[in-house]
Amino acid sequence: QVTLRESGPALVKPTQTLTLTCTFSGFSLSTSGMCVSWIRQSPGKALEWLALIDRDDDKYYSTSLKTRLTISKDTSKNQVVLILTNMDPVDTATYYCARGAGVAQGAHFDYWGQGTLVTVSS
Amino acid sequence: SYELTQPPSVSVSPGQTASITCSGDKLGDKYACWYQQKPGQSPVLVIYQDTRRPSGIPERFSGSNSGNTATLSISGTQPVDEADYYCQTWDRRTETVEFGGGTKLTVL
Repeated sequence: QVTLRESGPALVKPTQTLTLTCTFSGFSLSTSGMCVSWIRQSPGKALEWLALIDRDDDKYYSTSLKTRLTISKDTSKNQVVLILTNMDPVDTATYYCARGAGVAQGAHFDYWGQGTLVTVSS
Repeated sequence: SYELTQPPSVSVSPGQTASITCSGDKLGDKYACWYQQKPGQSPVLVIYQDTRRPSGIPERFSGSNSGNTATLSISGTQPVDEADYYCQTWDRRTETVEFGGGTKLTVL
């Protein structure tokens, strides 16, 4: 059974750095063709892709946010970490992690976490 | 960056076929997939690699992708299908995942 769970602070102040952890089970990131991605959704808005990391430790980032994002993995702990610097109120959103097929397969996401709401406010 | 365009809303009568389009430059040369999202829930993959259905997704969901347009079709639409639908692709040139803006499907 595949599960993913996001964890991190619910509230951050403007200019602070957000660190989110995705802890997963039921699959291994060392498996061929596997990846984990972070996606966010501001209230009432569309899904917005942030970053993706695959089994080969290849990392891909949203063009508009790449200077603020870092994604990393700890395969032994079954965790993927997302760091987003210089938080702003417009970054208020529900942040999801999702398991995906590799980019060669189209990077579709077949399992999603429940999401964690992060509010940016002073 | 690569852009995917969806109509903001689509309405369909119960039992009819709903079609939701997703447009992007030469989208037919890429894989397209579709997600269903109901209020307060995480997205659910309903179509991947243009036409494939994950296990557990009803047969009434189907997809196609050609030219500049991918289409999600729901035949015999049911009230339970009322949700937001998002298309998504991987753009090899920019090495980014792209989502469409979403389409709200209303079954009335």
